[in-house]
Amino acid sequence: DGGITQSPKYLFRKEGQNVTLSCEQNLNHDAMYWYRQDPGQGLRLIYYSQIVNDFQKGDIAEGYSVSREKKESFPLTVTSAQKNPTAFYLCASKGMNQRYTGELFFGEGSRLTVL
Amino acid sequence: GIQVEQSPPDLILQEGANSTLRCNFSDSVNNLQWFHQNPWGQLINLFYIPSGTKQNGRLSATTVATERYSLLYISSSQTTDSGVYFCAVGNNRKLIWGLGTSLAVNP
Repeated sequence: DGGITQSPKYLFRKEGQNVTLSCEQNLNHDAMYWYRQDPGQGLRLIYYSQIVNDFQKGDIAEGYSVSREKKESFPLTVTSAQKNPTAFYLCASKGMNQRYTGELFFGEGSRLTVL
Repeated sequence: GIQVEQSPPDLILQEGANSTLRCNFSDSVNNLQWFHQNPWGQLINLFYIPSGTKQNGRLSATTVATERYSLLYISSSQTTDSGVYFCAVGNNRKLIWGLGTSLAVNP
């Protein structure tokens, strides 16, 4: 089945450690996004990529890094520089050409807890 | 930047009741989507509706772009409709998200 797969679903990290969250999609979508969600809040954009080997900072990019070496994959690294990394992280994708309607599709999320 | 306001923030319904959720936005947009987040965190796209009216089963949505608001109607609510409903607006590069309406449907 086509979809977006995020892993791991749950992750615990000690302060000072980097951690990488995986996001893979087989929808043939060009654009991919990383969002952060805190309790009782809407989603905030961390990074997005509209094409392979290119990505743009979102509203809260500090302390995060990404890569887009393949169309299907958009991993997010939460670095030790991120002051408050405990959150729910959501990856999304969207088709960009005329075949698509502009809808955003989401993975199941990764819940990161820093101990 | 664009401001998005959703109302009500919380809603409790008895199974079978109808409800209307509202999304107001502060500027012209060419992208508006409604999402449902279930209690496990999964976000499902309900409607892509920058203008006009759409229906999907018990759910329907209307966006009046000239007046900068959108409405999501839930009819004959079921317990599985519980969760948070988000409105997201913007352009084809970025979406701005509202804080959501938290809906609880009691049996």
